[in-house]
Amino acid sequence: DGGITQSPKYLFRKEGQNVTLSCEQNLNHDAMYWYRQDPGQGLRLIYYSQIVNDFQKGDIAEGYSVSREKKESFPLTVTSAQKNPTAFYLCASSSPGLSKSLQYFGAGTRLSVL
Amino acid sequence: DAKTTQPNSMESNEEEPVHLPCNHSTISGTDYIHWYRQLPSQGPEYVIHGLTSNVNNRMASLAIAEDRKSSTLILHRATLRDAAVYYCILWGGTNFGNEKLTFGTGTRLTIIP
Repeated sequence: DGGITQSPKYLFRKEGQNVTLSCEQNLNHDAMYWYRQDPGQGLRLIYYSQIVNDFQKGDIAEGYSVSREKKESFPLTVTSAQKNPTAFYLCASSSPGLSKSLQYFGAGTRLSVL
Repeated sequence: DAKTTQPNSMESNEEEPVHLPCNHSTISGTDYIHWYRQLPSQGPEYVIHGLTSNVNNRMASLAIAEDRKSSTLILHRATLRDAAVYYCILWGGTNFGNEKLTFGTGTRLTIIP
């Protein structure tokens, strides 16, 4: 089945530690996105990538980094510079053109700080 | 960015129709109206979208006001599985750098058995 796979489902970070969240898609989509969701809030865009080897900052990129070396993969690293990383992280992908607005989401990774 | 306004929460009885309103008085002529929903502890899923005309699909119907300043998502026969947060989002097309979907806090729909 085609879709977006995020792993792990739950992740714990220690102080000063970098952690990487995985996002893989087999939908052959060019564009991929990372969002953060805090309790009771909507989604906020962290980074997005329209094509391999290219990505842009979203609204809340500070303390995060990404790479896009393969079309299928868009990992997100939460660095130690992100002082409040506890949140639900969602990855999405979409096709080019007008279909960009039809985003497919993964099941999310819930990150907590120890 | 054009903004949308939705009620924080709504309740509906199971097997009855549900009308979820959205106001977007500052919508531009090229903005598409999208609806997504998010079930508990899951990622959002696309429901429906439209530009000017009413739209129907297997999940729902979208009724768009003639002046496009408001729209209504219609679930024709609500089930318990429809309990979710529903987001009304305006998307401005494929202008360079305008790929964002801006999710507000949405409407939390509760279905009463």
